[in-house]
Amino acid sequence: SQTIHQWPATLVQPVGSPLSLECTVEGTSNPNLYWYRQAAGRGLQLLFYSVGIGQISSEVPQNLSASRPQDRQFILSSKKLLLSDSGFYLCAWSAGAQPQHFGDGTRLSIL
Amino acid sequence: GENVEQHPSTLSVQEGDSAVIKCTYSDSASNYFPWYKQELGKRPQLIIDIRSNVGEKKDQRIAVTLNKTAKHFSLHITETQPEDSAVYFCAASPREYGNKLVFGAGTILRVKS
Repeated sequence: SQTIHQWPATLVQPVGSPLSLECTVEGTSNPNLYWYRQAAGRGLQLLFYSVGIGQISSEVPQNLSASRPQDRQFILSSKKLLLSDSGFYLCAWSAGAQPQHFGDGTRLSIL
Repeated sequence: GENVEQHPSTLSVQEGDSAVIKCTYSDSASNYFPWYKQELGKRPQLIIDIRSNVGEKKDQRIAVTLNKTAKHFSLHITETQPEDSAVYFCAASPREYGNKLVFGAGTILRVKS
């Protein structure tokens, strides 16, 4: 069966520091991959999605970037974090005729 | 692009009562409508979904109805239990599975025992 792993679970970073969040999927090939951000008490905002290695689409202008160096690996990065980057970051995957399934998320706090 | 509106933003019901959450969408090309449940601090989990060639789908105490003409769909939870308390999100996709989902803002459901 397919599983999705996301880490770290929580992260506290100072303003201006870099960021790297990683997501990997097991048990499937060529999945669609997604990064979402959820502010406290708010809905899900799609940040990036990818349909294949090296193919990244950005949904909103922001301080973040995404990369997909391998088929089942999706990385969310920033060179310099802002206070407004705080939130709950969720990775999700889908493949073929399957709906999206979410990872456990990373709670990012910027100080 | 697609826009999904969800109502109500909060809903309180007594244990055993039914709960209904409604969503409207704008893009008539949307043909896939999932519902997710998110407990506090946890990931959203798919609870039920429906495709545009079906008007209603049921899974035990949960059902979803779709009205393509009016472009709205609803989640129905019967015999609510305290463990149904969570945030519920609807979503719509212009293409079938595997593509972008546009989410509603969410409904906080509280089931009072």
